This record gives sequence, structure tokens and C-alpha cells, in this order.
Amino acid sequence: AQSVTQLDSQVPVFEEAPVELRCNYSSSVSVYLFWYVQYPNQGLQLLLKYLSGSTLVKGINGFEAEFNKSQTSFHLRKPSVHISDTAEYFCAVSPNTGKLIFGQGTTLQVKP
Amino acid sequence: GAGVSQSPSNKVTEKGKDVELRCDPISGHTALYWYRQSLGQGLEFLIYFQGNSAPDKSGLPSDRFSAERTGGSVSTLTIQRTQQEDSAVYLCASSLGPSGASQPQHFGDGTRLSIL
Repeated sequence: AQSVTQLDSQVPVFEEAPVELRCNYSSSVSVYLFWYVQYPNQGLQLLLKYLSGSTLVKGINGFEAEFNKSQTSFHLRKPSVHISDTAEYFCAVSPNTGKLIFGQGTTLQVKP
Repeated sequence: GAGVSQSPSNKVTEKGKDVELRCDPISGHTALYWYRQSLGQGLEFLIYFQGNSAPDKSGLPSDRFSAERTGGSVSTLTIQRTQQEDSAVYLCASSLGPSGASQPQHFGDGTRLSIL
């Protein structure tokens, strides 16, 4: 079975500061890794994905994530956040069975 | 282009009634997924359709929940004899193929279901 743990339920940060949202996963098989963002009253939008190859993955809106197999982590980072980045962020894994298994989500609160 | 469309966007119904939620996937997408998002349980997988294969129903929480996909396109999620714990946002997603085949899932805005 697979599981995803997002270590922080809320992350407050000031505008233009760097941010890291943490994600750890557990799986006995190889998985694909994803980060999604959800703005209020909207569905989920894909930020980035790791399938194979380079462990540093760049996504939309200036976000990037690094896959660390030994630590089973896939932390999301952004060097300088904007007010518009305020949203809920979900880490997810897919064990090649089609469905996504999500973490509980992290609310990023960017303050002016 | 058109994204995943879900209707209705909001649904309020009384306990014990049946409800139907509709999902129109992106044209050409062969895979379709239903998820449920609730405060206590987070985002949960419900059911997955891939082409003409038998659906993966492993996430359906009870036999009150069912879903079908007609003609490989539109899907309907039906909840019979609704209970208050069914209150949640129901999200539909579609992709060109299974997520494991590197195709990301595209989500609709969801149907917010409230059971009185």
C-alpha cells in the first residue's frame, strides 16, 4: 500500500520570502509523484510531476521539487512567493494503477 | 480549450434522497476518475474508468455509491439514500491515459454536495 504525509498543515510566510512544503511518501513499489494546487472553490491544478530522470523537477509559477529516493521525500520549493500563491497544496503519488493517493494538504498563507 | 465540466456546481438535498452528479471529461481523454474531498478525510479516490476496461471501484465507500460512464465519455456518480456523512466536494478528473503512463489528471471544479 502507498501513503503520503504532508508534514505541515499550514505554512505562513511573508511575501517575497522562500518557502518549502514538505512531503514524504511510503510505497513498496515505484511510484510517480505529483504536486497539485487548489485555489478556493476550484479544482486541482497540476504544478509539477516526477516520473523518472533528473531528481529536480521544475513546474509552473516558479515552483520546483526535488525527489529524494533514500529519504522518500518530494519537497516543494519556491524561492520567492507572491500573494497569489496563497492556496492549498497537495502532494500525491500514483503507483501506476491509475488512481492518485493524496496527502492531507498544506495551506500556504502568504502575508503582505 | 474546454476543461473538465461538472454539474451541478452545488447540490443541497435531504437525507435519504438519491443524487446524481455529472462529469464531462476533456474530449479524447480515455481515463476518468472520481474523488471525494471532505474536511475529515481529505482527498479520497472513489472510482476509475479506463477505456473499455472494467472500472476500478475499490474506493467506493459503500454499495450506496455507483458510477457509470456512457459511450466512453460522460460519467454519472450516483449516491442512493444519502447520509449526512456524504456531504463533501466530489471532484472528477480525466487524462489521456492512466497517470502511471505520465499523463497528468485534469480536474473539474467539483460538485459541492450538502445533505441536510
